[in-house]
Amino acid sequence: DAKTTQPPSMDCAEGRAANLPCNHSTISGNEYVYWYRQIHSQGPQYIIHGLKNNETNEMASLIITEDRKSSTLILPHATLRDTAVYYCIVKGGGADGLTFGKGTHLIIQP
Amino acid sequence: NAGVTQTPKFQVLKTGQSMTLQCAQDMNHEYMSWYRQDPGMGLRLIHYSVGAGITDQGEVPNGYNVSRSTTEDFPLRLLSAAPSQTSVYFCASRGLAGGSDTQYFGPGTRLTVL
Repeated sequence: DAKTTQPPSMDCAEGRAANLPCNHSTISGNEYVYWYRQIHSQGPQYIIHGLKNNETNEMASLIITEDRKSSTLILPHATLRDTAVYYCIVKGGGADGLTFGKGTHLIIQP
Repeated sequence: NAGVTQTPKFQVLKTGQSMTLQCAQDMNHEYMSWYRQDPGMGLRLIHYSVGAGITDQGEVPNGYNVSRSTTEDFPLRLLSAAPSQTSVYFCASRGLAGGSDTQYFGPGTRLTVL
């Protein structure tokens, strides 16, 4: 699975959009981009995933560049409860589990 | 649906003791897995299973055993606990249809080995 690079921490004001970047320059054609988050001490929570096209669900939007070498997770109206560590994971098929790096610690400021 | 449940929430063991961490899911997922998370680190895969009777090793399997006799349950056994196994343990499950890796995680078991 391709390696990802994320900033270690980011701040965002409550009510504003939080944009979390992820670089995955070695991504292969069959690998998806997944985003999970982990709120303090809880189990990771799935947010969204995509292959090529931009995706949106009730939690977030995922923007993937045309060359697929980077992506951005967008939380449109961040709240204090969105403070968490956000993990960008690139993975193809197979049963070998998810590879979690250190993620981005997003802190939402009141 | 309860989702993925784990018991116990907290456990303290002495070196050399054995114990079983329980994990259950009610989503009829074929795939289940165990991760450990050490302070300041991401999760690392210990063992996984793609169905009843089938298990395989992940990145850090030493010191742990698993079995999968039913679809719902996937217990993790520590045979002889060591201080290096002090960690938070997460169980996860997902369906195998559709090819996506959308996993559902349990709340975790916090294990301290003295």
